[in-house]
Amino acid sequence: QSVLTQPPSVSAAPGQKVTISCSGGSSNIGNNYVSWYQRLPGTAPKLLIYENNKRPSGIPDRFSGSKSGTSATLGVTGLQTGDEADYYCGTWDSNLSAGVFGGGTKLTVL
Amino acid sequence: EVQLVESGGGLVQPGESLRLSCAASGFTFTNYALTWVRQAPGKGLEWVSVISGSLDYTNYADSVKGRFTISRDRSKNTLYLQMNSLGAEDTAVYFCAKSLYNWNDAAAFDVWGRGTMVTVSS
Repeated sequence: QSVLTQPPSVSAAPGQKVTISCSGGSSNIGNNYVSWYQRLPGTAPKLLIYENNKRPSGIPDRFSGSKSGTSATLGVTGLQTGDEADYYCGTWDSNLSAGVFGGGTKLTVL
Repeated sequence: EVQLVESGGGLVQPGESLRLSCAASGFTFTNYALTWVRQAPGKGLEWVSVISGSLDYTNYADSVKGRFTISRDRSKNTLYLQMNSLGAEDTAVYFCAKSLYNWNDAAAFDVWGRGTMVTVSS
């Protein structure tokens, strides 16, 4: 049971937009920055978003992040087949004094 | 090139120990916190432990507290994870990851290794 809650799967057609939610509480998302990761099959996780809405260099602006209260959202526009992957949110939990991840969301581009 | 390379995984029996290593290159080793993250077969990412960049403060997930120890050797630019009393629930791919920050209480990792597989089975 993950501390952060994500939908198990989302899907959309190529070119469309999808959002992935990440729900937590005041000890984690509510008071700490959220980051998002993409895990393509057989590869290491890749940082997509940090500090709620910032993109590392090299990450296209098709990927966006937002946070409101104790929830965060990853948005992906202009979906491509290459975006099919597992996506994870992560943050620090001040009560646990530990990092926490969501359970992951599998994105399917139909 | 910034790089992390894990090693030390393998097959061990329940109750045994294993030490993972993560060789770092391409960045100032003591300027960033380093983390271990694992992924069990068919499961999601699980944060395991972190060590701060300069003062070696450490934190652990409850699932490994008291059994695992994270450490770093500055002279070798290498991160370690000593794992004792291993159980089947510890079977996973173990990744080391570099934080964006020097301190522990953040979870943003911009560089990851390829991972090393640990299998605990009799």
